Amino acid sequence: GAVVSQHPSWVICKSGTSVKIECRSLDFQATTMFWYRQFPKQSLMLMATSNEGSKATYEQGVEKDKFLINHASLTLSTLTVTSAHPEDSSFYICSARDGGIGTDTQYFGPGTRLTVL
Amino acid sequence: AQSVTQLGSHVSVSEGALVLLRCNYSSSVPPYLFWYVQYPNQGLQLLLKYTSAATLVKGINGFEAEFKKSETSFHLTKPSAHMSDAAEYFCAVSYSSASKIIFGSGTRLSIRP
Repeated sequence: GAVVSQHPSWVICKSGTSVKIECRSLDFQATTMFWYRQFPKQSLMLMATSNEGSKATYEQGVEKDKFLINHASLTLSTLTVTSAHPEDSSFYICSARDGGIGTDTQYFGPGTRLTVL
Repeated sequence: AQSVTQLGSHVSVSEGALVLLRCNYSSSVPPYLFWYVQYPNQGLQLLLKYTSAATLVKGINGFEAEFKKSETSFHLTKPSAHMSDAAEYFCAVSYSSASKIIFGSGTRLSIRP
């Protein structure tokens, strides 16, 4: 089946620094990718929808200047948490849409755990 | 707008017993419905999805779910629980396979020996 990878799988950073998380579709082209955030023992909340070559669409309440999303190619989307603070500590999960012929489904990455000290 | 409600944040069953995880949805259009499983510190794995074809959907690991429009439900079942089924289960809804997915609050399934 289709595979979506995320890098890094976990990261610890100091408050005030920026962290970049990569989401890659390994064996298909993804015109659309989604970014979710999951706090401990809670559900996944959609942060933004990322379309290749265009600006991301952010969900209400998500600060676009804090969570920068870039989808420059059909296989890569990045999420940059700028000036991270402890409250940004969370599990970030991406999904990628495989819209190829005969299929149209989303595949989820394994997630990235961010801890901000 | 779409939403899903999962009844019961924690369900505990004995090994070998029936598993029933409840999910009700709300959607203004015919929905796509999903069940995902998440093991600790891991991503999501798709168990099954409903896309307006057969109302009884069979998934992986012996799970199945039935779409009932009259009850706006999409409950997940498994005839006989196994210890390895212990995990967090999420019901989800979207407008299509390619649209953003809205997740329920999750149900933690515990299996008693």
